[in-house]
Amino acid sequence: GQNIDQPTEMTATEGAIVQINCTYQTSGFNGLFWYQQHAGEAPTFLSYNVLDGLEEKGRFSSFLSRSKGYSYLLLKELQMKDSASYLCAVRDNNAGNMLTFGGGTRLMVKP
Amino acid sequence: EPEVTQTPSHQVTQMGQEVILRCVPISNHLYFYWYRQILGQKVEFLVSFYNNEISEKSEIFDDQFSVERPDGSNFTLKIRSTKLEDSAMYFCASSESGGTREQYFGPGTRLTVT
Repeated sequence: GQNIDQPTEMTATEGAIVQINCTYQTSGFNGLFWYQQHAGEAPTFLSYNVLDGLEEKGRFSSFLSRSKGYSYLLLKELQMKDSASYLCAVRDNNAGNMLTFGGGTRLMVKP
Repeated sequence: EPEVTQTPSHQVTQMGQEVILRCVPISNHLYFYWYRQILGQKVEFLVSFYNNEISEKSEIFDDQFSVERPDGSNFTLKIRSTKLEDSAMYFCASSESGGTREQYFGPGTRLTVT
């Protein structure tokens, strides 16, 4: 099976930078995804990593280290609207195209 | 921008009743998925569907569940005899191909079983 861990909650200040970590264990790693989910809404895709390194997309960046089973999502210039849950999900070669999600990190951005 | 749509947004049903949740995936997508999220818990995979057949399913997707693509646009999830523990948000998702980056999620159907 797969094990995905991320902190349950984080708090940060508007304008600051926050890093949300995710560790995973999987036998046939085939990609890591970050999704944003506002309360009561659907997950929306943020980023995808399959090779080691940093992927940057505007205020959001995601990093992957396959050897360490580790990823982080970096959010810069935080805005109030960034208050949401951030879901780390992994795709495994042995499980086709299904995504296995972590429990999500609820981020609260304070003024 | 094309999006996945789901109906109804909220369904209330009595235990033991059958429900059908409907989804219209993005039109040029070939892979379809159902996930569920019990309130306060993680998103869980139920089933994936490609080329008119199930490609993967989880332990949750037992004989009470079935999926169908009745025509060229709709993708449905049927729960034959609902239980209280089936109460959850059900998300449909679709992707262009199996190895593609993202799965696009619909807005979800909140199923409440009483």
